[in-house]
Amino acid sequence: QVQLVESGGGVVQPGGSLRLSCAASGFTFSSYGMHWVRQAPGKGLEWVAFVRYDGSKKYYVDSVKGRFTISRDNSKNTVYLQMNSLRVEDTAVYHCAKDITIFGVSGAFDIWGQGTTVTVSS
Amino acid sequence: QSALTQPASVSGSPGQSITFSCTGTNSDLGSYNLVSWYQQHPGKAPKLMIYEVSKRPSGVSNRFSGSKSGNTASLTISGLRAEDEADYYCCSYTSSDTFVVFGGGTKLTVL
Repeated sequence: QVQLVESGGGVVQPGGSLRLSCAASGFTFSSYGMHWVRQAPGKGLEWVAFVRYDGSKKYYVDSVKGRFTISRDNSKNTVYLQMNSLRVEDTAVYHCAKDITIFGVSGAFDIWGQGTTVTVSS
Repeated sequence: QSALTQPASVSGSPGQSITFSCTGTNSDLGSYNLVSWYQQHPGKAPKLMIYEVSKRPSGVSNRFSGSKSGNTASLTISGLRAEDEADYYCCSYTSSDTFVVFGGGTKLTVL
């Protein structure tokens, strides 16, 4: 079935790094842009990053620019989020999500993973 | 502060219709018909309910409908049911550097 499964979350000290992975199945991964969306404890949703279907363009929310890097490996049906220089305020559940538009972007996410928890704490 | 503005909470009784509002700017809702709505139950991943203002994904009940006027988008649930109690988020593509923005979310209570 169509699904996204995240992994790689954990507890890390401020200034540390983590790499999140999101494995996709059940759809033609290489045809769709992919996003990361996070949700801090008790807070709302926040879009974090997007990578085009072919990996040629990437976009980030201002608060993570220069610290996070989104990438994808279409041969492995996987999207990644490399997170460096982590801050306490990056603590959240991180979801990967598929854009609904084939070969494009609409900012509508029709498939979501269950999320992986990142806790930044000393 | 979220880029899109949503009321913090709304409530309604079973069978009623209820409308959520989402207010943006000329950089997002005012310029693009790329607004989407998500339902999130506690501890669960969000679920897409409406995209491109008024389109329903396969499997979403026709009790859910969307619209937009100017810089304000709306989600209406008709025939309110207990299982509709959840948080609802609007989202839009934006021409600003942010690329995609969410509203702060509205908690729906079914009385």
